[in-house]
Amino acid sequence: EDQVTQSPEALRLQEGESSSLNCSYTVSGLRGLFWYRQDPGKGPEFLFTLYSAGEEKEKERLKATLTKKESFLHITAPKPEDSATYLCAVQAVERGATNKLIFGTGTLLAVQP
Amino acid sequence: KAGVTQTPRYLIKTRGQQVTLSCSPISGHRSVSWYQQTPGQGLQFLFEYFSETQRNKGNFPGRFSGRQFSNSRSEMNVSTLELGDSALYLCASSSTGYGTDTQYFGPGTRLTVL
Repeated sequence: EDQVTQSPEALRLQEGESSSLNCSYTVSGLRGLFWYRQDPGKGPEFLFTLYSAGEEKEKERLKATLTKKESFLHITAPKPEDSATYLCAVQAVERGATNKLIFGTGTLLAVQP
Repeated sequence: KAGVTQTPRYLIKTRGQQVTLSCSPISGHRSVSWYQQTPGQGLQFLFEYFSETQRNKGNFPGRFSGRQFSNSRSEMNVSTLELGDSALYLCASSSTGYGTDTQYFGPGTRLTVL
């Protein structure tokens, strides 16, 4: 069964303290891995898509990497405004076209000033 | 370009009632997917529509249904509401629905069942 696991469930950092969030996945075939950010009371906001092992993408203080079994979201020198829940999702190879995403339960990040 | 919109934003219903939620995708997007988000289960896929056809369906009971109109707007319906249906219902749209299109989410509809 296709599955996505994120760790840790919650992470508290001091402003400027870099860290990484983990997303491990088990799918029959990976079409793409997505990272989203979700603020309280809002819908998920798209951050990155990764397609193949070895791929990396960056945006401001965030950098996402992908291996054959997991992805990391590295946060460099975080600021309080980076506080949010970070969601990882995979799109698995299926018969026929589909946009179905399988989500992990997220990592709740709190950055203290 | 306007984002994905969902109406209403909040709903309170009682057990046994039915509810209809609406989603307007980003202009030009033809694929709409629906997800249920709860604290215990996270985001779970409900169903996906593309060009008015349901293309994929998650593991939810038949009380959950949906449809898509010719202008790509979508509605989902939940009949005979149960307490466990209380959740944030999210709609996401993407342009073509082929390959790995980015899905953009709306703000969600918060449904509370009493």
